[in-house]
Amino acid sequence: SQTIHQWPATLVQPVGSPLSLECTVEGTSNPNLYWYRQAAGRGLQLLFYSVGIGQISSEVPQNLSASRPQDRQFILSSKKLLLSDSGFYLCAWSGIRSGGANVLTFGAGSRLTVL
Amino acid sequence: AQSVTQLDSQVPVFEEAPVELRCNYSSSVSVYLFWYVQYPNQGLQLLLKYLSGSTLVKGINGFEAEFNKSQTSFHLRKPSVHISDTAEYFCAVSRFGGSQGNLIFGKGTKLSVKP
Repeated sequence: SQTIHQWPATLVQPVGSPLSLECTVEGTSNPNLYWYRQAAGRGLQLLFYSVGIGQISSEVPQNLSASRPQDRQFILSSKKLLLSDSGFYLCAWSGIRSGGANVLTFGAGSRLTVL
Repeated sequence: AQSVTQLDSQVPVFEEAPVELRCNYSSSVSVYLFWYVQYPNQGLQLLLKYLSGSTLVKGINGFEAEFNKSQTSFHLRKPSVHISDTAEYFCAVSRFGGSQGNLIFGKGTKLSVKP
């Protein structure tokens, strides 16, 4: 069966520090991978998605970046965090096409607090 | 472009009472529709999905939703809620043949079940 892992689960970082959140998927190959951010009262915002190694699509301009160095690994990074980067970051994957729909499976999330 | 409106940000209800969480979408093309549930400090879990066929869709944990094309709605219902249903519920939409990153989420409805 497929599983998705995210780490770290929680992170407290000072403004201006770097960030690296990692996501890996097991039990599938060539998944579509996604990073979402969930900020208080703002729902889920798609940040990046990837359909293959080295292929990244950015949905929202910001000081974050994403990379996909391996088929089942997706990394969210920042060189200098801002206060507004605080939030709950969710990684997701899809690969099983159910009638052509994009059905996402989410990881447990990483809660980032920038102070 | 598609959009999703969840009309209630919070819904308090007593245990064993029925509940309806409302979702309306906007799209000029045919869509797929989803409901996800998020328990505190966890990722999102798929409750149910509408892809095609019967407009009444049954999901996990006794939830069901009905797709109403004329009213562009996909309301979620449960005839009798439990304390364990306390969570945040997200409606989402994606369009037929859309890009891999085209799943749009509503802002969520927090369901609070009281004894």
